[in-house]
Amino acid sequence: ETGVTQTPRHLVMGMTNKKSLKCEQHLGHNAMYWYKQSAKKPLELMFVYNFKEQTENNSVPSRFSPECPNSSHLFLHLHTLQPEDSALYLCASSQFLGGDTGELFFGEGSRLTVL
Amino acid sequence: SQQGEEDPQALSIQEGENATMNCSYKTSINNLQWYRQNSGRGLVHLILIRSNEREKHSGRLRVTLDTSKKSSSLLITASRAADTASYFCATYRDDKIIFGKGTRLHILP
Repeated sequence: ETGVTQTPRHLVMGMTNKKSLKCEQHLGHNAMYWYKQSAKKPLELMFVYNFKEQTENNSVPSRFSPECPNSSHLFLHLHTLQPEDSALYLCASSQFLGGDTGELFFGEGSRLTVL
Repeated sequence: SQQGEEDPQALSIQEGENATMNCSYKTSINNLQWYRQNSGRGLVHLILIRSNEREKHSGRLRVTLDTSKKSSSLLITASRAADTASYFCATYRDDKIIFGKGTRLHILP
């Protein structure tokens, strides 16, 4: 079992659907992140949570709604998405926000396809 | 804004050869990290080099850092088929880690 678990691994949804991505980390970390990875583009940081509090929102459209009920769980709620939102969504965690090294531990990702 | 930029974008080499990937960045950093990503999977941290270090080794990996040129290189020696993946450099500064677009490495049998 990896330290960071993402579900579902694959998701296909219509533009009018509402779905959620889930991330759980078993590493005792305090910071969690959502990244978007599209073809031929650098990883895009979407949201950062530190001790359950959102510390960064990188101008992400409101159709993406994050939720962090505790330091181990992170959700990304999706509604009225666009086809260009199709991408691999990666969750990551780190021991602290910033800290000495900033090393990130990633989940396997959720491949999202918006029809 | 993008910080690290890898070069080349894609690289194909024969198994057993060495693979070298380069990363350039724009501003000062606390450290630089290299990650690997197998197709459609998550990223895995490989190695970290601090701004006051010039070279670091981990198994078949060798990383160099030249802060005067704002560049780093990742060398994979004696490549194996399992090394086929995308490799990303990431710069860390002010609590932020920023990734480049990556180098796609393909090891030919």
